[in-house]
Amino acid sequence: GAVVSQHPSWVICKSGTSVKIECRSLDFQATTMFWYRQFPKQSLMLMATSNEGSKATYEQGVEKDKFLINHASLTLSTLTVTSAHPEDSSFYICSAWTRNEQFFGPGTRLTVL
Amino acid sequence: DAKTTQPPSMDCAEGRAANLPCNHSTISGNEYVYWYRQIHSQGPQYIIHGLKNNETNEMASLIITEDRKSSTLILPHATLRDTAVYYCIVRVKNTGGFKTIFGAGTRLFVKA
Repeated sequence: GAVVSQHPSWVICKSGTSVKIECRSLDFQATTMFWYRQFPKQSLMLMATSNEGSKATYEQGVEKDKFLINHASLTLSTLTVTSAHPEDSSFYICSAWTRNEQFFGPGTRLTVL
Repeated sequence: DAKTTQPPSMDCAEGRAANLPCNHSTISGNEYVYWYRQIHSQGPQYIIHGLKNNETNEMASLIITEDRKSSTLILPHATLRDTAVYYCIVRVKNTGGFKTIFGAGTRLFVKA
């Protein structure tokens, strides 16, 4: 199946710093990608829809100024967590569609100290 | 998207069939039933999907009731590696990247 990769797979940062997470579609082009967040023992929560060449669409309750999304090419979307705080510690997962199927990245575990 | 209801957890003996139910009583005529699973600390993995006919692939079988208000995912010979959270999702089939909303899912424990 198609491959979606994420980098880094895990990151630890200090409170107040910004962290960038990359999501790449390795063998297909994706005009739309999705970002999810998952807290321990909870389900995936959709954060935003990333659109190539245009602004992202954020779900209700997700701060667009805190979670900056840039979809600059058909194979790359980035999520930047700005001024991260311990409550932003979570598992972040991206996904993209191709050939009528949705593929998910392996996730990035963010720990904010 | 139609709401789905799944049991929070299930146990299954290794080598036996695992039958995971899902209720989707408000499903619309153009909505498909999708199943994904998520092994701990990994991204979700697509398993199978169907509209109204039963479907089978190398991973599982999907049985959809005639009225389409419920379905069952069957793992014919569960292994320890099938321990995961299984999500049943109802949505339209779309090539344009329709967003997927996840419910709570069923946590399946396969025991030796």
